[in-house]
Amino acid sequence: DTEVTQTPKHLVMGMTNKKSLKCEQHMGHRAMYWYKQKAKKPPELMFVYSYEKLSINESVPSRFSPECPNSSLLNLHLHALQPEDSALYLCASSQPFRDSLDYGYTFGSGTRLTVV
Amino acid sequence: ELKVEQNPLFLSMQEGKNYTIYCNYSTTSDRLYWYRQDPGKSLESLFVLLSNGAVKQEGRLMASLDTKARLSTLHITAAVHDLSATYFCAVDPTGTASKLTFGTGTRLQVTL
Repeated sequence: DTEVTQTPKHLVMGMTNKKSLKCEQHMGHRAMYWYKQKAKKPPELMFVYSYEKLSINESVPSRFSPECPNSSLLNLHLHALQPEDSALYLCASSQPFRDSLDYGYTFGSGTRLTVV
Repeated sequence: ELKVEQNPLFLSMQEGKNYTIYCNYSTTSDRLYWYRQDPGKSLESLFVLLSNGAVKQEGRLMASLDTKARLSTLHITAAVHDLSATYFCAVDPTGTASKLTFGTGTRLQVTL
C-alpha cells in the first residue's frame, strides 16, 4: 500500500463548528505532516509529527489542533475557523531521517475546506 | 529565511517544443524534490535529487541538481498536452528529511 488517504475530500463548516480532518498511511512511515495550500500558491507547512510526537509547529493558530493517535493516523481538529482558513489541506508522510533510499514525501489527495 | 524561487511562473508552450524550468534556493541543501500538481488535485512526486550533480529522467522530463549554485532545473523535451500542470520544486533546509519548503510553482500550459 503506497497511499496516503485523507477524509473527507470536501468539507464546508461554519465559523462556530468543530470538525476534524483525518489522514491514514500504511507505508510504515514514521513522519507525518499537515500542509495548507491556498489557490495558486505553494503548500505551506503547518505541523510535523515524528515518531508520533509533535516536532514542528509553524506558529499555527490554536484553532488548528493536530493529533497523532498512532504511527498510521494523523488528525487535524478544527474549531472556530475563519473564512480565510478556507484552503486545500494536504497530509503527507515520509521517513523522518536521512537515508540513501529517500523516496521523498507521499501526499494524500487533500481535503478541500470551505469556512462560511 | 529560506527562499525557493522558480521561473518562469507561467509557461505556455507548443507541443513538440523543449523548455527548462529553473528552481533557485537561498540556503544550503543537498536534496531537492520535484512535484507535479493538476488543478484541484494533490501533489505527485516526480523526482528526488539527493546529491550534487544528480540527474534523473522519466519520459519527457529530466531534472538536475547543482548544489553549489543552489540551482535545480526541470527540462521538458518535446512537450505534450498531458504535461500541462503546475510544477513545484521543494527543498529540505533542515537536512533531516523532516520539513519541505516549496518553490513558487510554475504553471505549464502545453497547447496543440
